[in-house]
Amino acid sequence: QSALTQPASVSGSPGQSITISCTGTSSDVGSYNLVSWYQQHPGKAPKLMIYEGSKRPSGVSNRFSGSKSGNTASLTISGLQAEDEADYYCCSYAGSSFWVFGGGTKLTVL
Amino acid sequence: EVQLVESGGGLVQPGGSLRLSCAASGFTVSSNYMSWVRQAPGKGLEWVSVIYSGGSTYYADSVKGRFTISRHNSKNTLYLQMNSLRAEDTAVYYCARFRGAGFFAFDYWGQGTLVTVSS
Repeated sequence: QSALTQPASVSGSPGQSITISCTGTSSDVGSYNLVSWYQQHPGKAPKLMIYEGSKRPSGVSNRFSGSKSGNTASLTISGLQAEDEADYYCCSYAGSSFWVFGGGTKLTVL
Repeated sequence: EVQLVESGGGLVQPGGSLRLSCAASGFTVSSNYMSWVRQAPGKGLEWVSVIYSGGSTYYADSVKGRFTISRHNSKNTLYLQMNSLRAEDTAVYYCARFRGAGFFAFDYWGQGTLVTVSS
């Protein structure tokens, strides 16, 4: 049950696009199209942004999109806004009723 | 409106026990998959445990044999009994609803309760 690998930090200017990667293994990300992404502002609970790899829950901006290739999932945020500054976590089903999270990525909007 | 409210956190000595509660409203706990996820200070999220609607339970290796997830159907409340606590169990503990097939994600989270294991 090793954590998924995410970059520690990414940054971008308002209006730009950024992509956060999430690398797992053939036992988790690579085996299931069941990656979800969560946004967490300081001192707050995580908020679901993407489920099943690329689907957005109701109410989440279409500036957020997800994709997957092999053992790596990605979250792209387009048209960066100041309120997007937060920590982002990926999560994958790992089989046998286990879930694994990524280490988290701190997004800074310059 | 779906709401999850955790309670029961606090300071406990190594080797001690604590029971966390998560009161739910706006949906029925026993009809859903429910999980605990924790976050050590300044660290990332870690999945801890899940209880399925049918009652099956599963645990991360780091807590297996020490933690027990359960629910009280009439109180619509989820619990996490934590025994033999260690310093590395210090974290904010979140309860979360896991929405299954066709969604497969943690869609609602509580605000968290802090557990500190220290002498």
